[in-house]
Amino acid sequence: GIQVEQSPPDLILQEGANSTLRCNFSDSVNNLQWFHQNPWGQLINLFYIPSGTKQNGRLSATTVATERYSLLYISSSQTTDSGVYFCAVGSLETSGSRLTFGEGTQLTVNP
Amino acid sequence: KAGVTQTPRYLIKTRGQQVTLSCSPISGHRSVSWYQQTPGQGLQFLFEYFSETQRNKGNFPGRFSGRQFSNSRSEMNVSTLELGDSALYLCASSLSRVEDEQYFGPGTRLTVT
Repeated sequence: GIQVEQSPPDLILQEGANSTLRCNFSDSVNNLQWFHQNPWGQLINLFYIPSGTKQNGRLSATTVATERYSLLYISSSQTTDSGVYFCAVGSLETSGSRLTFGEGTQLTVNP
Repeated sequence: KAGVTQTPRYLIKTRGQQVTLSCSPISGHRSVSWYQQTPGQGLQFLFEYFSETQRNKGNFPGRFSGRQFSNSRSEMNVSTLELGDSALYLCASSLSRVEDEQYFGPGTRLTVT
């Protein structure tokens, strides 16, 4: 099945810093989503981005489907940005709504 | 519009018992998927339901089962619970099966003692 790799696994920043999280995937996708998992476990939708570039406030994301990677940019980070960020993809091979998740990036933003 | 809801939010069960978890999708969404999250295995796909039919199944034993009702609400059942079934169980819904954004519920945290 499709493989999803996220890097870095851990990231520690000072408030105000910028960061880039990366997601590599091994096959063609028809869905790619970025999530932020809050301390209570809920996955919060950040971007639905199987291709192209999107921006939402301090966050933006780019997916280059032909090269099989996606990037999540966080600018001017805040302590509330702390948590785990997941990339999840839907594979053309498996079809349906099934998402395959990466292992996540644990982000800590210190004041 | 209300989000995906899951009940119960927390559950403590004993080995050998069975458990039923419930998921109500966003109004109008017809596809419901279930995932298990554990510290060791990460987020893993359990199964997907659409139009009351299981469309896709992950690599889990037959003790894990589910169903979907005509109003798209879904339940999953785990029989003969094992300690390793302790996990956060997440439900997601989307409008259709492919190329649609998925939205997750708050999860049910199951502890098996």
